[in-house]
Amino acid sequence: EVQLVESGGGLVQPGGSLRLSCVASGFTFTSYWMHWVRQGPGKGLVWVSRINSDGRSTNYADSVKGRFTISRDNAKNTLYLQMNSLRAEDTAVYYCARDPTVTGIDYWGQGTLVTVSS
Amino acid sequence: QSVLTQPPSASGTPGQRVTISCSGSSSNIGSNTVNWYQQLPGTAPKLLIYSNNQRPSGVPDRFSGSKSGTSASLAISGLQSEDEANYYCAAWDDSLNVVLFGGGTKLTVL
Repeated sequence: EVQLVESGGGLVQPGGSLRLSCVASGFTFTSYWMHWVRQGPGKGLVWVSRINSDGRSTNYADSVKGRFTISRDNAKNTLYLQMNSLRAEDTAVYYCARDPTVTGIDYWGQGTLVTVSS
Repeated sequence: QSVLTQPPSASGTPGQRVTISCSGSSSNIGSNTVNWYQQLPGTAPKLLIYSNNQRPSGVPDRFSGSKSGTSASLAISGLQSEDEANYYCAAWDDSLNVVLFGGGTKLTVL
């Protein structure tokens, strides 16, 4: 069974940092690109970042470029999102998602909530 | 960066056919495939249509997708109450080097 389990969310003050993790199981992690997508309260889906299968190529949304870093540890089947200089507008549920590249994102985790507030 | 335009809402009665549009540009829908996702209340999104018109296994054939030029559409026939959800289109943008999602369409089954 395919599973993507996010963790690391929580309450953080503006300007603070947080690292999200996503542990993958039930599929060959190294065969997939991986994404982070977020959803603010009552809002739509917003793509954040993606990383290719070997971790050498990354892309970011303009809104997080320079503040967020996506990475992966293929030995641990784990995807990360390091979030620095957090702002109130970064408050959202953050979803980890896999991408076999042929179809685009085909499976999502259940998400982890990040709240940026003083 | 949401430059895929969807109507914010759509509605229909049980058994009806509804369509949801997604309008983009030459750098996204015009040159890449479109996916559609269904998000039921309080749950993670689920892939509904990939590569413009392909259904993953397990998705009923009541759901279909199409693309023409810089626009795409999702059609739902034989509408059922359990189809009440938010629907999102998505495509890669070659100019921005980002994945774009539409703003989402809330489907109400009357």
